[in-house]
Amino acid sequence: GIQVEQSPPDLILQEGANSTLRCNFSDSVNNLQWFHQNPWGQLINLFYIPSGTKQNGRLSATTVATERYSLLYISSSQTTDSGVYFCAVPHNAGNMLTFGGGTRLMVKP
Amino acid sequence: DGGITQSPKYLFRKEGQNVTLSCEQNLNHDAMYWYRQDPGQGLRLIYYSQIVNDFQKGDIAEGYSVSREKKESFPLTVTSAQKNPTAFYLCASSTTGSNIQYFGAGTRLSVL
Repeated sequence: GIQVEQSPPDLILQEGANSTLRCNFSDSVNNLQWFHQNPWGQLINLFYIPSGTKQNGRLSATTVATERYSLLYISSSQTTDSGVYFCAVPHNAGNMLTFGGGTRLMVKP
Repeated sequence: DGGITQSPKYLFRKEGQNVTLSCEQNLNHDAMYWYRQDPGQGLRLIYYSQIVNDFQKGDIAEGYSVSREKKESFPLTVTSAQKNPTAFYLCASSTTGSNIQYFGAGTRLSVL
């Protein structure tokens, strides 16, 4: 099956700093999603981004499908950005998703 | 409000006991999914259902069972055959043909 790897596994930032999270996948995909899991466990959809670039406030994402990677940018980080960021791509068949291992972000005040 | 409701938030299982986790959605989504998350890990698919009265095993189905008698509901039973059930369980749903999944708040299961 498809493999999804995220880097870095852990990231500590000072409030106000910028960061880039990376997601590599082993096969071509027709969509990719980024999620934020807050400290209480809730998964929030951030982006559905099969290709190109999207922006939502301080967050933006870029997927280069031909090179099998996606990047999530967080600018001017805030303590509420803390949590785990996951990327997910479609399973080999159907609507199922394969998740990466996540990047654990801690933003310090 | 439309959404996915999981209950209970916390659940404790005794040795040899079956427990059932509830997942209800009012988004009119056809497809529903169950994932397991271990501490510090990503999500792994347990079971999924694309239509009422039909479901398929995911990557880690052993020790679990599901039913899909209604479109809105997709309960997960953790059976006594699941020897390491302590984990965070997440339910999700999506519309037919879509990979965009929306998640409930999760249930934390622990063994007494």
